[in-house]
Amino acid sequence: DGGITQSPKYLFRKEGQNVTLSCEQNLNHDAMYWYRQDPGQGLRLIYYSQIVNDFQKGDIAEGYSVSREKKESFPLTVTSAQKNPTAFYLCASRSRGTGYEKLFFGSGTQLSVL
Amino acid sequence: RKEVEQDPGPFNVPEGATVAFNCTYSNSASQSFFWYRQDCRKEPKLLMSVYSSGNEDGRFTAQLNRASQYISLLIRDSKLSDSATYLCVVNHASPHSGNTPLVFGKGTRLSVIA
Repeated sequence: DGGITQSPKYLFRKEGQNVTLSCEQNLNHDAMYWYRQDPGQGLRLIYYSQIVNDFQKGDIAEGYSVSREKKESFPLTVTSAQKNPTAFYLCASRSRGTGYEKLFFGSGTQLSVL
Repeated sequence: RKEVEQDPGPFNVPEGATVAFNCTYSNSASQSFFWYRQDCRKEPKLLMSVYSSGNEDGRFTAQLNRASQYISLLIRDSKLSDSATYLCVVNHASPHSGNTPLVFGKGTRLSVIA
C-alpha cells in the first residue's frame, strides 16, 4: 500500500543537540512539506519542496534545515538554533495537478526537549 | 488580518444536533478549499473538498461564498464520533501552477455530548 511514513513517533532532544526527523513516501508525489503544530494551534509551515534538489523556506524556517536528494525522502533536521523545538511535527506530500489534490500526511513525530 | 481564520470553539453540542462552522480567508485569489478533520495528536485527514457549487457528503455539507470570502461546514445529526478539531484549509495557488503550500486555519474544536 502506498503511503507516507514518519519516524520516530517520539523523539527526545538534549540541549544543544541536532536531531533529524525522517519522512518517506512511496506515492510518487513531487511535493513534500513539513509542518509544526503546537498545542491548540494550527499547522505552521517550516519548509517545502516541489521537486528533487529544491526546497523553500516556509513561515517558521529558522532553526531547521532540510534536504531533498531523492523524490521519496524529505528529512527535517532540528538544529540547536531552534530554542523551542517541543512540538508535534507533521510531514505531508501531494501530487501536482489542479490544486484540489489531497494532502497525504504521515502520522507525526512528537519532539520533546530533555 | 490572518490568512485563514476560524472560531476556535469549543462547540459543545448534544448528539443529534446540527452544527455549523465558518471560516474566512483573506486572499481573494485563493483557488481551492478544504475541510480536514484532526483527532487529538493524530494527523489531519481530508473530510471534504469545497467546490463553488457547494457539495454534500452524507451528513456533511460544505459551502463556498467567494464574494464574502468564507467557507462553511454543516454537520447534521451529530454523532459522538464527530468530536474532533475541524481545520479549514485554503490553496492560494492557481490551477496547474504547482504545489504551493496549503494554508491551515487553527481549527475549530467540536465536542458532541451524549
